[in-house]
Amino acid sequence: QIQLVQSGPELKKPGESVKISCKASGYIFTDYAIHWVKQTPGKGLKWMGWINTNTGKPTYGDEFKGRFVLSLEASASTTNLQISDLKNEDTATYFCATSMGITAAPYWGQGVMVTVAS
Amino acid sequence: DIQITQSPSLLSASVGDRVTLSCKASRNIYNNLAWYQQKLGEPPKLLIYNTNTLQTGIPSRFSGSGSGTDYTLAISSLQPEDVATYFCQKFYGGWTFGGGTKLELK
Repeated sequence: QIQLVQSGPELKKPGESVKISCKASGYIFTDYAIHWVKQTPGKGLKWMGWINTNTGKPTYGDEFKGRFVLSLEASASTTNLQISDLKNEDTATYFCATSMGITAAPYWGQGVMVTVAS
Repeated sequence: DIQITQSPSLLSASVGDRVTLSCKASRNIYNNLAWYQQKLGEPPKLLIYNTNTLQTGIPSRFSGSGSGTDYTLAISSLQPEDVATYFCQKFYGGWTFGGGTKLELK
């Protein structure tokens, strides 16, 4: 069955970096893009961007240009999100998701909680 | 950028009630709208896409309607397991989510 499995929770200090992963299975990885979404209790769901799993080209939402990098390990059917120079406001749950060719996202990872605290 | 506003932010209803949730876009989004249900500690679950297409496996008490800038999610007969937060989403041109409606039992 189709699954997106993400890496485990992270606890980081301000200024550090974090890399979280999303491993896809159950379908041809390069057929569909992977999107990333940030969720915070106060600010709901925010789309961060997406990566073309065929070409590796990332596209970032306006708020996520600069410290955020999407990358691929195509041989491992894995997408990574790296956040550098972490700030307290990066504390959130980060989801990966895929559309599988429809105009919505039926498949989501379980989410990764990233906590940034000194 | 297109903004998406959901209302109400909190909705209390009784089991068996018909409930409606609203989503309003700042510009015409041409039926490019999806609805998700999210329970605590879980990822969002797709209910409806393209305004009114029911995702496989979703109970028929859920339905979607609308056009232009105004869209609605309806639950025909509220069940206890429907207690959750509901989000709408614009898909094309970058995903944009509404702020959510928290649905609770009265």
